[in-house]
Amino acid sequence: GQNIDQPTEMTATEGAIVQINCTYQTSGFNGLFWYQQHAGEAPTFLSYNVLDGLEEKGRFSSFLSRSKGYSYLLLKELQMKDSASYLCAVRVRNTGGFKTIFGAGTRLFVKA
Amino acid sequence: ETGVTQSPTHLIKTRGQQVTLRCSSQSGHNTVSWYQQALGQGPQFIFQYYREEENGRGNFPPRFSGLQFPNYSSELNVNALELDDSALYLCASSRDRGGTEAFFGQGTRLTVV
Repeated sequence: GQNIDQPTEMTATEGAIVQINCTYQTSGFNGLFWYQQHAGEAPTFLSYNVLDGLEEKGRFSSFLSRSKGYSYLLLKELQMKDSASYLCAVRVRNTGGFKTIFGAGTRLFVKA
Repeated sequence: ETGVTQSPTHLIKTRGQQVTLRCSSQSGHNTVSWYQQALGQGPQFIFQYYREEENGRGNFPPRFSGLQFPNYSSELNVNALELDDSALYLCASSRDRGGTEAFFGQGTRLTVV
């Protein structure tokens, strides 16, 4: 089956660095995404990895190891507004096209 | 502003009824995906449309169906509504079916009573 695991909740301090891990077991891997979702709002795109390695984008970085079925999202210089759910999603090839599988999300609480 | 709009924003239906949800994709995007998100869970993939054809489907029963129109807007239809269909329904559009970035609409909150 297809499965994505990520921690349910994390807490970190303003100004610190936090790493949110994601492991997946899927077939037909075609890319991994990270999204941010504030309560009551739509998910917003953060990053995309399809090859192994680190992708950096401002305060956010995402890492992928396809052989290990592992990714992480790194958030630096945490701000209070970073309190949100972070969704790991894997796109896989499906009969007739593609489908995207989301993890349940990691709720991040940033405290002062 | 993402440019993806969904209507209606909220909806209450009775068990057994049918519902149609609508999504206008962002300009220049030809791929639309639909998701169901229960409270506290990640979005669950329903299906994807690319240039008016279904391009992938998740584990949802046939009573969940969709359409994509020539202008790339899309509809999600759900027949014979069940209480468990109560959820946030999200639409996301992307530049193509292999697109690296998808933009989500604000969603339609469906309540089935």
